[in-house]
Amino acid sequence: GIQVEQSPPDLILQEGANSTLRCNFSDSVNNLQWFHQNPWGQLINLFYIPSGTKQNGRLSATTVATERYSLLYISSSQTTDSGVYFCAVETAGNNRKLIWGLGTSLAVNP
Amino acid sequence: NAGVTQTPKFQVLKTGQSMTLQCAQDMNHEYMSWYRQDPGMGLRLIHYSVGAGITDQGEVPNGYNVSRSTTEDFPLRLLSAAPSQTSVYFCASSPRDWVYYNEQFFGPGTRLTVL
Repeated sequence: GIQVEQSPPDLILQEGANSTLRCNFSDSVNNLQWFHQNPWGQLINLFYIPSGTKQNGRLSATTVATERYSLLYISSSQTTDSGVYFCAVETAGNNRKLIWGLGTSLAVNP
Repeated sequence: NAGVTQTPKFQVLKTGQSMTLQCAQDMNHEYMSWYRQDPGMGLRLIHYSVGAGITDQGEVPNGYNVSRSTTEDFPLRLLSAAPSQTSVYFCASSPRDWVYYNEQFFGPGTRLTVL
């Protein structure tokens, strides 16, 4: 089956710094989503981005489907950005089974 | 709106016991799903429902049952708990197919330990 790899696994930033998180996938995908899980466990959708670029405030995401990767950019990081960032993909015929990466654990220090 | 609520927040079971994890949403969403999250891993889909009376299996359905008698409620039943079912369980709902739309709302999770 498809493999989803996220990097880096862990990241520590000083407040105000920028960062780029990467998601590589081993096969063509129909859909790709980014999620944030805060330190208290709450999961929140960030982006649905099977291709192209989207922006939402300080966060933006780019997916290059032909090269099988997606990037999540966090600019001017804040302590509230801390948590784990997951990407999840769905492949043709996979019947609603989003395949999740292992996540990037981000800690933003004040 | 309360959003997606889950009860209980924490539960400890002995091997072989059965229990039901409750999930309710007040947003009139058609789609609901149950996931489990194990340490250091992403979410895995257990069961899902595309509307009242309709359920289907996800990636890891064995040992779990679901039903959807109303739009609001989607309980997850553990038939005979096993230590391998120790996990954090998340319920989610969405107004449209979550695979194609970035609109899933997640509950706060239930942390289950099976001894």
